[in-house]
Amino acid sequence: QVQLVESGGGVVQPGRSLRLSCAASGFTFSSYGMFWVRQAPGKGLEWVALISYGGSNKYYADSVRGRFTISRDNSENTLFLQMNSLRAEDTAVYYCAREGPDRTGDGFDYWGQGTLVTVSS
Amino acid sequence: QSALTQPASVSGSPGQSITISCTGTSSDVGSYNFVSWYQQHPGKAPKFMVYEVSKRPSGVSNRFSGSKSGNTASLTISGLQAEDEADYYCCSYAGSDTYVFGTGTKVTVL
Repeated sequence: QVQLVESGGGVVQPGRSLRLSCAASGFTFSSYGMFWVRQAPGKGLEWVALISYGGSNKYYADSVRGRFTISRDNSENTLFLQMNSLRAEDTAVYYCAREGPDRTGDGFDYWGQGTLVTVSS
Repeated sequence: QSALTQPASVSGSPGQSITISCTGTSSDVGSYNFVSWYQQHPGKAPKFMVYEVSKRPSGVSNRFSGSKSGNTASLTISGLQAEDEADYYCCSYAGSDTYVFGTGTKVTVL
């Protein structure tokens, strides 16, 4: 069965960096686009970033462009999110999600359990 | 990338039908038949419920149905059950490989 397991969250000071990982299993990772979606405490969902199945195409929300970098290692079935220049407003649970099920635009068919990032001094 | 507009809350009695609206613009909901819906119980990850406006993934109850007219998409839950009590989010493709979520709706089963 499809499994996505995030890790790397924690408490970090404003302006510092953090790298999140998402280990994928149960499907052919290299065949799917992958996303990061976040949810601030008590708030709604926000799309953060998308990476194509091969890793060559990357897209970002305006709120993180220039600070966050999405990447993947298809040999290790792992998705990453490098977060630099973190701000208080980046505090959220970060979910990785798989693109699916049929084509671009279909949304996110499988989600991880999320990892909490808290930006605070 | 402004969030799509959903009602903050919708409620209904067991067995009733409810509809959640999701209003966007001609740049997102109005331009693409790529609206998806997610159910989220407290403390849990979202669950994929509907995609491409009205398609249901395997395993999702046929009590959940989606539709769209112009810039507004809708999710209808028929035969409301206690386990349907959750937050629901719409999401639309917004072009250039970007996505926008709705503000979220809390569904209460009375």
